[in-house]
Amino acid sequence: DARVTQTPRHKVTEMGQEVTMRCQPILGHNTVFWYRQTMMQGLELLAYFRNRAPLDDSGMPKDRFSAEMPDATLATLKIQPSEPRDSAVYFCASGFDGSRVFIQENYGYTFGSGTRLTVV
Amino acid sequence: GQQVMQIPQYQHVQEGEDFTTYCNSSTTLSNIQWYKQRPGGHPVFLIQLVKSGEVKKQKRLTFQFGEAKKNSSLHITATQTTDVGTYFCAGRLSNAGGTSYGKLTFGQGTILTVHP
Repeated sequence: DARVTQTPRHKVTEMGQEVTMRCQPILGHNTVFWYRQTMMQGLELLAYFRNRAPLDDSGMPKDRFSAEMPDATLATLKIQPSEPRDSAVYFCASGFDGSRVFIQENYGYTFGSGTRLTVV
Repeated sequence: GQQVMQIPQYQHVQEGEDFTTYCNSSTTLSNIQWYKQRPGGHPVFLIQLVKSGEVKKQKRLTFQFGEAKKNSSLHITATQTTDVGTYFCAGRLSNAGGTSYGKLTFGQGTILTVHP
């Protein structure tokens, strides 16, 4: 089965350090989402891209977070400087969006296994 | 902004009992998706509903989309221990062109515990 690959799986870092998380979407998918999951806030959308162009990053703290897609096989989420409140699981998800797929019953997004970030 | 509310937050059932989780949106949705996340895992897509009043079944799971396309439900008949996990709905608004690939907003999820 095709899968979304996220690295690293776990990251422990000290406050103030830069953190970079990477995501390899499924080949052929044109949409990539970044979500953050915490017990308190649930799944929060941070950013999403279609055809590598950023469409919405309104959920992302702009002063310290940045998201990019340097090419179709790589999406990155960077935090600089990191803070303890950034501790969470970060998920990347990919899928194919087109004018007709939204009518399909079995269409959905594939999530990666996540990066568990701990900032101490 | 768009909000998707899901209730209940937690549900504990005995194996064999039924389970239902409800999802409500503050705005009309173009479509809604349902995902399941096992403990320690990642969300896994279950189904997408797109039509007003639509009902879909997957074995013991029944999914409904409301007539006004602002609410949805997932019902599991005769729960099993393998049903344990968090069930999320995720709603999407349509854009001005009537197509439907805007951002996906998740509800808070319902955590299902099944006692054998």
